[in-house]
Amino acid sequence: EVQLVESGGGLVQPGRSLRLSCAASGFTFDDSAMYWVRQAPGKGLEWVSGISWNSGNIGYADSVKGRFTISRDNAKNSLYLQMSSLRAEDTALYHCAKGHCSSTSCHGDFWGQGTLVTVSS
Amino acid sequence: DIQMTQSPSTLSASVGDRVTITCRASQSISTWLAWYQQKPGKAPKLLIFKASSLESGVPSRFSGSGFGTEFTLTISSLQPDDFATYYCQQYNTYWTFGQGTKVEIK
Repeated sequence: EVQLVESGGGLVQPGRSLRLSCAASGFTFDDSAMYWVRQAPGKGLEWVSGISWNSGNIGYADSVKGRFTISRDNAKNSLYLQMSSLRAEDTALYHCAKGHCSSTSCHGDFWGQGTLVTVSS
Repeated sequence: DIQMTQSPSTLSASVGDRVTITCRASQSISTWLAWYQQKPGKAPKLLIFKASSLESGVPSRFSGSGFGTEFTLTISSLQPDDFATYYCQQYNTYWTFGQGTKVEIK
């Protein structure tokens, strides 16, 4: 059974940092692209970042570029999101998602329940 | 950046109705389009990928079509379990989501 379990969320002050983790199981993690997607309270889905299976291809949304860093540890079946210079508008539920790829185009075929990040003083 | 415009934003329908949701891309994405269903407090669930391929385990009343910039998700006969919010997503270049369509009980 595929499982993605996010952790690391919480209440943080503006300008501070936070590191999210996503523990994966039930599939071959080191074959899979992985993604972070967030959802602000009452709002829609927003792609944050993605990373290829070997970390060779990484992308970020303009809204987080230069502040967030995605990484993975295939030996630990884990995905990470290092978030710095946090802003109130980063407040959201952060989901990790498993990618299913056809050549270089990947959709998300399984999502975790998410971890809540609240940025407030 | 590729923008995705989804319509309508809200749809009121009854059980048994045929429902269609439209998604338009700001540039051609071939068939690199997925549809997701999300219920309150739950993670999104994949319904359709590559514009028209039904994900395993998804009921056949869901179907997708389109190519290039215009896409549709159709539910042939709305069931009680289908009242939810639906999102389209392009994955031609990174990911972009539509704004969502909330399907409500009429």
